[in-house]
Amino acid sequence: AQSVTQLDSHVSVSEGTPVLLRCNYSSSYSPSLFWYVQHPNKGLQLLLKYTSAATLVKGINGFEAEFKKSETSFHLTKPSAHMSDAAEYFCVVSEQKGQGGKLIFGQGTELSVKP
Amino acid sequence: GAVVSQHPSRVICKSGTSVKIECRSLDFQATTMFWYRQFPKKSLMLMATSNEGSKATYEQGVEKDKFLINHASLTLSTLTVTSAHPEDSSFYICSASSEVTEAFFGQGTRLTVV
Repeated sequence: AQSVTQLDSHVSVSEGTPVLLRCNYSSSYSPSLFWYVQHPNKGLQLLLKYTSAATLVKGINGFEAEFKKSETSFHLTKPSAHMSDAAEYFCVVSEQKGQGGKLIFGQGTELSVKP
Repeated sequence: GAVVSQHPSRVICKSGTSVKIECRSLDFQATTMFWYRQFPKKSLMLMATSNEGSKATYEQGVEKDKFLINHASLTLSTLTVTSAHPEDSSFYICSASSEVTEAFFGQGTRLTVV
């Protein structure tokens, strides 16, 4: 069975400083991994996805994530936080091979950005 | 990216009544749709998976007679919360995918049962 663990329930950074949101996964085969962002009372927006191509994945709004098989990690980073980045972030693994399968969500990380 | 429309975005209903939530894929044919429930400050909990033309597969602990799911076409799935009670109040989110696309999410529906 696949699973995903987000190591921090809450991260707080100052505007303009780097962001690091940590995610570790467990999978019996090469997984598809995603990061989604959710603003309050809104749906989910896909930030980026890894599907066995390049291990460094660039997403929207300056976010990127690196797939590290040896560490079973898929941490999300951004060089400089913006106030609008404050939201809930979910690391997600696809249960089935390919992209259209059932998604397993991490517990979420709330990102706060201080002025 | 593809668009998934969920309606209504917000609904308030009286205890004992039923509420229907629609999930539409607007620009692709969704062979699979998923329904999630999200409690405040919590992650998404998968309720059920529905494939067009067949019965939904419910996750353990989800009452299929209470949460009726219909996936009658490749662009529409509905979730009906029957005989709603205050404890059913939650944020419900659908997602739609095909064999060649990742899942796209609806905007969510905030259900409040009074």
